[in-house]
Amino acid sequence: DQQVKQNSPSLSVQEGRISILNCDYTNSMFDYFLWYKKYPAEGPTFLISISSIKDKNEDGRFTVFLNKSAKHLSLHIVPSQPGDSAVYFCAAREYGNKLVFGAGTILRVKS
Amino acid sequence: DADVTQTPRNRITKTGKRIMLECSQTKGHDRMYWYRQDPGLGLRLIYYSFDVKDINKGEISDGYSVSRQAQAKFSLSLESAIPNQTALYFCATSDPLGDQETQYFGPGTRLLVL
Repeated sequence: DQQVKQNSPSLSVQEGRISILNCDYTNSMFDYFLWYKKYPAEGPTFLISISSIKDKNEDGRFTVFLNKSAKHLSLHIVPSQPGDSAVYFCAAREYGNKLVFGAGTILRVKS
Repeated sequence: DADVTQTPRNRITKTGKRIMLECSQTKGHDRMYWYRQDPGLGLRLIYYSFDVKDINKGEISDGYSVSRQAQAKFSLSLESAIPNQTALYFCATSDPLGDQETQYFGPGTRLLVL
């Protein structure tokens, strides 16, 4: 059973608009959440993270929101740019630094 | 130069063959990981190692083995490859004392088992 779920396989957004990528989790013991971005033929790269004691973390155009009661987090990209087109993976950390990844969401930003 | 390198980048092999995927890192991290990526399933952990003497199974270790030859090197072997091991394989490293233990990934090895 998947502990981290990204229910939208893909998302298409117009350049300049907001992109919202969603992630749900089932394990209440997760204490840290991360988003990774992956371009074709490259490995995933770290984008932004949030501790379970916070509900928001912002880094430039990227903001991650955490709703612990709903076991839900989201990544907001504002404004979206064509270079943001990639696969985005949500990940949650278990004790001992094992990460559990979601299936990924393909984001396409149209110019 | 890349901090985490993987060789080969692409490999085609036949069912039953033994193959090895290699990972090297220059980040000086103690922790290393092997994942596979399949469409619709995301990244799944195969094996991980928290130091040279420590090897642990991940969620999908059957059919795989690993060797941690040094702090900088972590190899993944498929003892007898089968077609459902066709996937994209990633090596990653992390530093438990750094940056919230963010993992850093290599570029991946695309494996096709015929």
